[in-house]
Amino acid sequence: DQQVKQNSPSLSVQEGRISILNCDYTNSMFDYFLWYKKYPAEGPTFLISISSIKDKNEDGRFTVFLNKSAKHLSLHIVPSQPGDSAVYFCAVRQGAQKLVFGQGTRLTINP
Amino acid sequence: DTAVSQTPKYLVTQMGNDKSIKCEQNLGHDTMYWYKQDSKKFLKIMFSYNNKELIINETVPNRFSPKSPDKAHLNLHINSLELGDSAVYFCASSQSPDTQYFGPGTRLTVL
Repeated sequence: DQQVKQNSPSLSVQEGRISILNCDYTNSMFDYFLWYKKYPAEGPTFLISISSIKDKNEDGRFTVFLNKSAKHLSLHIVPSQPGDSAVYFCAVRQGAQKLVFGQGTRLTINP
Repeated sequence: DTAVSQTPKYLVTQMGNDKSIKCEQNLGHDTMYWYKQDSKKFLKIMFSYNNKELIINETVPNRFSPKSPDKAHLNLHINSLELGDSAVYFCASSQSPDTQYFGPGTRLTVL
């Protein structure tokens, strides 16, 4: 049973517009959430994170929103750029040493 | 200078063979991980070592044996390879469990 779900396997967005990637989780005890970005033939790289004590965290063009009551996490990228085309993984921290990842959403930014 | 490196990048082998994947990190991190990304694209943790000690061992067949000769290296040995072992295997390291640095992955194909 998957504890972290990204229900959209792919998303296509026009350059300059907003990209919104979504993630749902099952356990209300999760307290730390992350987004990783992955280019082809490379490993995932850390992008942005948020603690459960916050509902928003912003870093440049990237903002993560957390809705604890809905157990929902989203990543907003604005404005979207061609270099943002990648697979985005949502992850939650479980315990002291473990991250649980979703299956990823492939984002394509069209010029 | 590569932070987390894995060899080989590609591995094609027959069922029943034994193979190893090597991982090295030059970040000075205390913790290293092995993940498996299967055909459904989920990235699932297999093992975690902290200062050469095993701290996470998920439900992984005992044909998989990690070995950490020192805290900069975590190798993965797989005995009696099966078709279902075909996947991309990622090594990662971290100083905190949240921000993990991933290697480029090893694509294992079992024929």
